[in-house]
Amino acid sequence: QKEVEQNSGPLSVPEGAIASLNCTYSDRVSQSFFWYRQYSGKSPELIMSIYSNGDKEDGRFTAQLNKASQYVSLLIRDSQPSDSATYLCAVNQEDNFNKFYFGSGTKLNVKP
Amino acid sequence: DADVTQTPRNRITKTGKRIMLECSQTKGHDRMYWYRQDPGLGLRLIYYSFDVKDINKGEISDGYSVSRQAQAKFSLSLESAIPNQTALYFCATSDFSGDTQYFGPGTRLTVL
Repeated sequence: QKEVEQNSGPLSVPEGAIASLNCTYSDRVSQSFFWYRQYSGKSPELIMSIYSNGDKEDGRFTAQLNKASQYVSLLIRDSQPSDSATYLCAVNQEDNFNKFYFGSGTKLNVKP
Repeated sequence: DADVTQTPRNRITKTGKRIMLECSQTKGHDRMYWYRQDPGLGLRLIYYSFDVKDINKGEISDGYSVSRQAQAKFSLSLESAIPNQTALYFCATSDFSGDTQYFGPGTRLTVL
């Protein structure tokens, strides 16, 4: 069974700090990787996608992918209270390009 | 107007009742998905459809059925609701590239 694992948290960081969120996946054919943010009671929204090994930066967000270690992470620099949410990691596999598998999410609390 | 809409937004029903959740989208996407979200379990795929004539079971399809009435409409039915189907249900769409999933606002279903 394909699995995507995340630490449920909560992860608490002070305002202005770097928040580091981690995700591991079990299926070596996983090809595309996504980070979604979900505020309480709301729907997930995409914040980052990454397809190749290395880092991808978008504003305060950096996604890091290491396919050999089956590991993807999200760094949030200069964390703000508005970043407090649950962050979902998602993957889809080369053999089923449009089928997504989600982790259970990590709850992030950014304290003012 | 929202690109992906779901009706109803909230529903309380009794065990054994038939329930239909509806999803409509104006994004012009061929691919549509139904997920359920339970605390601590993340998003789990119930059914997905790559076009009007294509319906596929996801991880947890037992107890559910779907209908793809048109490219823009994808309905989820619970033929005989049971309490463990109490959850938050999301509809999502993606284009042919599968790069991003766009989620509806969710339907909170409670089965008593």
